[in-house]
Amino acid sequence: QVQLQESGPGLVKPSETLSLTCSVSGGSISSDYWSWIRQPPGKGLEYIGYIDYSGSSNYSPSLKSRVTVSVDTSKNQFSLKLSSVTAADTAVYYCARDPGAAAGRGFDYWGQGILVTVSS
Amino acid sequence: SYELTQPPSVSVSPGQTASISCSGDKLENKYVCWYQQKPGHSPVLVIYKDDRRPSGIPERFSGSNSGNSATLTISGTQAMDEADYYCQAWDRTTAVFGGGTKLTVL
Repeated sequence: QVQLQESGPGLVKPSETLSLTCSVSGGSISSDYWSWIRQPPGKGLEYIGYIDYSGSSNYSPSLKSRVTVSVDTSKNQFSLKLSSVTAADTAVYYCARDPGAAAGRGFDYWGQGILVTVSS
Repeated sequence: SYELTQPPSVSVSPGQTASISCSGDKLENKYVCWYQQKPGHSPVLVIYKDDRRPSGIPERFSGSNSGNSATLTISGTQAMDEADYYCQAWDRTTAVFGGGTKLTVL
């Protein structure tokens, strides 16, 4: 059973960089696609980006200029950095696994989510 | 950019059939997935590849995709099915979510 767990600061100041880590257990991060998805309070889901088993990354066009997703295979973790944050970036951030990206397999495992608030 | 459109809300009586639509340009050419999200919880995959159910998902959940619209159908809806439902597809290498539909069982 694959398990994912997000960690990182719950409060970030405007204009600073949001940094989160997702720890994966019960499976190897050296396969599949590993994504970040967020959900502003009371709103819908928004895709941020993914990194795949080869280390290649892909990002939402609307966030591409501010996002970096990286992987640390030695720790079985992957990370999100979102720069120049504003209040609009306040959201619950989820990490999730997709076995095949556009192959239609879906995000089958999700972390519990972490609320990140952007405020001074 | 590619967009998926869902109705904001759907209501259904217990035991009846609920249908939630998801529309997008030439959606039939993409695989559609559906997620159930209850308050305070992470989304759960209930349908993948248009009409396949993951292990552990009840048979009352089914999906279809044709033309510009996909549909999630819940047969014999139960009170526990009350939740937000999101459709999702890939536009090239970018995942796209619908805006979500709140299913009320009353």
